[in-house]
Amino acid sequence: DVKVTQSSRYLVKRTGEKVFLECVQDMDHENMFWYRQDPGLGLRLIYFSYDVKMKEKGDIPEGYSVSREKKERFSLILESASTNQTSMYLCASSSGFLGAQGYSGNTIYFGEGSWLTVV
Amino acid sequence: GQQVMQIPQYQHVQEGEDFTTYCNSSTTLSNIQWYKQRPGGHPVFLIQLVKSGEVKKQKRLTFQFGEAKKNSSLHITATQTTDVGTYFCAGAGGTSYGKLTFGQGTILTVHP
Repeated sequence: DVKVTQSSRYLVKRTGEKVFLECVQDMDHENMFWYRQDPGLGLRLIYFSYDVKMKEKGDIPEGYSVSREKKERFSLILESASTNQTSMYLCASSSGFLGAQGYSGNTIYFGEGSWLTVV
Repeated sequence: GQQVMQIPQYQHVQEGEDFTTYCNSSTTLSNIQWYKQRPGGHPVFLIQLVKSGEVKKQKRLTFQFGEAKKNSSLHITATQTTDVGTYFCAGAGGTSYGKLTFGQGTILTVHP
C-alpha cells in the first residue's frame, strides 16, 4: 500500500512563527502536493512538485513556500504564520510525469492530514 | 483558471434513501476522479472516469461522466450509515498539466 506520512498531526503555533510541515511518501512517486482543507471551500492546492527541486504554485501559494530536496520528501513552510492559516493541511503524492502537457492525472494518495492552529 | 463546482454542499438522508452529488467544470476535462473522506479521515480515491459519457458502477455507487466532459455525478442507491462522509470530485485537464482541481465537496449525513 502507498503510504504518505505527515510528521505532525496536530500543531499549535503563535502568530509570526516559522512553521514546517513535513511529508514523506514511500512509493517513489514523481509528484507531490500540498493542499489545505477548509469547511465549504474543499481542497485548495497550495504548491506542487513534479520532480526533485522543482516546484510550481498552486491556487493559493501566498504566505507559503515549499522545498523538495529529495524525491520522497516535500516540505511546506509558513514563513510567518498568521491566524488565517489555521487549517488542515494535506500532503499527497501521485505517479506519472505531471510536467508533461497532456498528462491525464493519476490517482492521488493523501496523508492523514496536519491540523494547524495559529494563535 | 479551471474551476470545479460541486453541489449540494450538504445532504441529509434517511438510511435507505438515494443520494446524488453533481460536479460541473468551467473547462473541458481530460478526466475526473472521485474521492471519499470519512469524518476525521483523509480523502481516499474511489474511481476515475476518462471517456465521454462513461458510466461506472461500484456496488451501490454509480459514477457518470458527461458527454461534453464538463460534468459528472455520483449516485448512491439505498444509502447506509457507512456511506457518511464528504464526497469530492476532482478534475484534470486543459492547461492544468494534470494537476487536479477539487470541488468543494458534498457532506453526506445518513440518519438510521
